[in-house]
Amino acid sequence: EAQVTQNPRYLITVTGKKLTVTCSQNMNHEYMSWYRQDPGLGLRQIYYSMNVEVTDKGDVPEGYKVSRKEKRNFPLILESPSPNQTSLYFCASSGNRDYNSPLHFGNGTRLTVT
Amino acid sequence: QKEVEQNSGPLSVPEGAIASLNCTYSDRGSQSFFWYRQYSGKSPELIMFIYSNGDKEDGRFTAQLNKASQYVSLLIRDSQPSDSATYLCAVIRVGNMLTFGGGTRLMVKP
Repeated sequence: EAQVTQNPRYLITVTGKKLTVTCSQNMNHEYMSWYRQDPGLGLRQIYYSMNVEVTDKGDVPEGYKVSRKEKRNFPLILESPSPNQTSLYFCASSGNRDYNSPLHFGNGTRLTVT
Repeated sequence: QKEVEQNSGPLSVPEGAIASLNCTYSDRGSQSFFWYRQYSGKSPELIMFIYSNGDKEDGRFTAQLNKASQYVSLLIRDSQPSDSATYLCAVIRVGNMLTFGGGTRLMVKP
């Protein structure tokens, strides 16, 4: 089954404790992206990647890191999480950079930072 | 001003009516426009995209684009309770940046 898999689904952590949210897709997609979703603000792009070893900042990259060492994986790293990073996070992938093919989203990761 | 704006709703329509969802965008150079549907607790899924001025129909859904006025709308005919969800407008801005609006919550009442 074609899918984007995120883990974990739920995560509660404390300020300053490094964490990684994993994302993997099995569709051989070149484009992958991370979004956060907050009430009233919609989906805001954190980082995106056009291909292996190519990553770029989105609209809200501060406090986040990503890497794209393999085509299928695109982990999101929070080196020192803060409470304002409490949010619902989605990973997404697409067959091409022009968005002509739809974004496939993972099931989301709800992160709480206390 | 937000890049992509939507009324957060909720928009309430009776079953069988036409639901009209609107979205405005600020970047006049935007080229591609998408509507995603998101059920509560689920991830978004693409329902329509439109690139050219005018209407595009797909089943009960019609997307309308007016680049001169910088708005895009989604009409849902014969609304069903299963259409109750949040609808997200997304726009590709200059620089190939995909930006989402805040979403409109639609409630279809039986």
